[in-house]
Amino acid sequence: AQSVSQHNHHVILSEAASLELGCNYSYGGTVNLFWYVQYPGQHLQLLLKYFSGDPLVKGIKGFEAEFIKSKFSFNLRKPSVQWSDTAEYFCAVKGYNKLIFGAGTRLAVHP
Amino acid sequence: EAGVAQSPRYKIIEKRQSVAFWCNPISGHATLYWYQQILGQGPKLLIQFQNNGVVDDSQLPKDRFSAERLKGVDSTLKIQPAKLEDSAVYLCASSPRQGRDSNEKLFFGSGTQLSVL
Repeated sequence: AQSVSQHNHHVILSEAASLELGCNYSYGGTVNLFWYVQYPGQHLQLLLKYFSGDPLVKGIKGFEAEFIKSKFSFNLRKPSVQWSDTAEYFCAVKGYNKLIFGAGTRLAVHP
Repeated sequence: EAGVAQSPRYKIIEKRQSVAFWCNPISGHATLYWYQQILGQGPKLLIQFQNNGVVDDSQLPKDRFSAERLKGVDSTLKIQPAKLEDSAVYLCASSPRQGRDSNEKLFFGSGTQLSVL
């Protein structure tokens, strides 16, 4: 069965700090990988996705993620966070026809 | 482009009452999903429709939850009777198509926040 694990439930950073959110998944076959973001008061929206090719994918707002197949990981990174990045971030894995979400990481960025 | 519409935005009921949620996906989107998001957890898939057929309802508590998507467009999710543990945000999402190799992203609605007292 598919599963997704996000290592940190809450992260607090100061502006300009670097960000890395961990995501590990469990699935035996080919997967598509996603990061979704939910800003306060808004609906879930796609940040970036990986389905094949270059394992380093770039998304909106300066975010990127690296797929490491041997580690079953898809960590999200941003070199320098802004206050506006305060949100909840969800890693998601799509195996056979089903999109499974992790529990989410709440990121708070202080000015 | 209009997004995924959901109503109501909030609902408060007492346990053992019934409740229904409505979703209108983005026009032309064949696949529709209902997710349940309990506070502190990620969204959990309840049911997935492809047009008006059910693709996956393995995690839908069928003794109390039901969903339909008549005519392959909008959808309703019903809970009858509700339990305290059903308190959650119910999210509807849609995507243009679905298949084993599809990497289509999901477009989410704002959700219905249900409180069961």
